[in-house]
Amino acid sequence: EIVLTQSPGTLSLSPGERATLSCRASQSFSSTYLAWYQQKPGQAPRLLIYGASSRATGIPDRFSGSGSGTDFTLTISRLEPEDFAVYYCQQYGSSPYTFGLGTKLEIK
Amino acid sequence: EVQLLESGGGLVQPGGSLRLSCATSGFTFSRYAMNWVRQAPGKGLEWVSGISGSGGSTSYADSVKGRFTISRDNSKYTLYLQMNSLRAEDTAVYYCAREIGPVGYDYFDYWGQGTLVTVSS
Repeated sequence: EIVLTQSPGTLSLSPGERATLSCRASQSFSSTYLAWYQQKPGQAPRLLIYGASSRATGIPDRFSGSGSGTDFTLTISRLEPEDFAVYYCQQYGSSPYTFGLGTKLEIK
Repeated sequence: EVQLLESGGGLVQPGGSLRLSCATSGFTFSRYAMNWVRQAPGKGLEWVSGISGSGGSTSYADSVKGRFTISRDNSKYTLYLQMNSLRAEDTAVYYCAREIGPVGYDYFDYWGQGTLVTVSS
């Protein structure tokens, strides 16, 4: 099973700042199989990024993904108030699919 | 518009059973693999089970293998999760999620709003 470790656990930033979230895998896999989701309290997760760097439909271009092998990054270039949420990475290249434990992005 | 609506959650005693349903609309159900993902209170996401578009292929997390059974009725556009021998650690919100392709190994592009399962005496 591929274990995904997200860091930091909590990130405190202000609107307008840049956020960098990390997702590290216990073994290398193709970037084709890495997704990022956003979840707000009381809501279902929402797909942001798939294939490590492709934005899902309707996702603003301030969200970008990058990485390969075992190291992946989600970057939010300029934080908007609605971006404060929990972010999860997921690998779907091998079974069982696995998620990271999440990074909580909170307002500083 | 793609819609996924879970139902069937509730309070059940340890050792009991429950069947979750996920009614879908807005897309050709049989063309997509489907999954169940759960989230324990205050915790992260855990993939539970997946099924191919035809229903011919299924997979499970080790934590539920032998206790849970995923199935689908493509004529009713509905996904199911039969949960037996429930344990306290199965307490969670259960989400159904659509996978972008029919056979697996794809990302989840739509999620339902979830149904809460509480296992407690």
